[in-house]
Amino acid sequence: KAGVTQTPRYLIKTRGQQVTLSCSPISGHRSVSWYQQTPGQGLQFLFEYFSETQRNKGNFPGRFSGRQFSNSRSEMNVSTLELGDSALYLCASSLAFEVPYEQYFGPGTRLTVT
Amino acid sequence: GESVGLHLPTLSVQEGDNSIINCAYSNSASDYFIWYKQESGKGPQFIIDIRSNMDKRQGQRVTVLLNKTVKHLSLQIAATQPGDSAVYFCAEKGAGGSYIPTFGRGTSLIVHP
Repeated sequence: KAGVTQTPRYLIKTRGQQVTLSCSPISGHRSVSWYQQTPGQGLQFLFEYFSETQRNKGNFPGRFSGRQFSNSRSEMNVSTLELGDSALYLCASSLAFEVPYEQYFGPGTRLTVT
Repeated sequence: GESVGLHLPTLSVQEGDNSIINCAYSNSASDYFIWYKQESGKGPQFIIDIRSNMDKRQGQRVTVLLNKTVKHLSLQIAATQPGDSAVYFCAEKGAGGSYIPTFGRGTSLIVHP
């Protein structure tokens, strides 16, 4: 079956702009999580959605937001972009959000803020 | 490909050798641990997991060992192959009932043919 897909794969934005990233989970998966990966901080959890509800949130400013649709597809938005937001943004899906479960990651969206 | 980390610890091995990758986790209350593999240009891929009520779990060519006394996790890869070259990192979760994962910084494994 098809894996997790993320669009776009690459994005270049200017400071102060906003950006929306999209994630389509594996068919049947209802949980979607978002992560930020940078060389300096490594992989950090942003938030997790299950059945259109945010279940968990990481330690990121309010400029980072997300949502999930009834078909489990998810979007994340970053407003007022800063240079430090340049990162690989990863989406992962799973059947549920309780432990234990296996998460399947997408290839990521590489965001560059200039 | 994508650069997933700079200045990561690196482990270089010869094809056919066994590899051991280590991870020190941060929270003694974590009850679930996962190892991921990330190849250049790809997202992390689940390798194996272990719960805190176990100290060893085996998969296909991989073994995870958990030492809760010293908060240490290791991943052993048997008969390492060039296709195993990637960044490996551990994740922990479950401390205080929270399932927000905390990831280690990762180790770059280089397998020489």
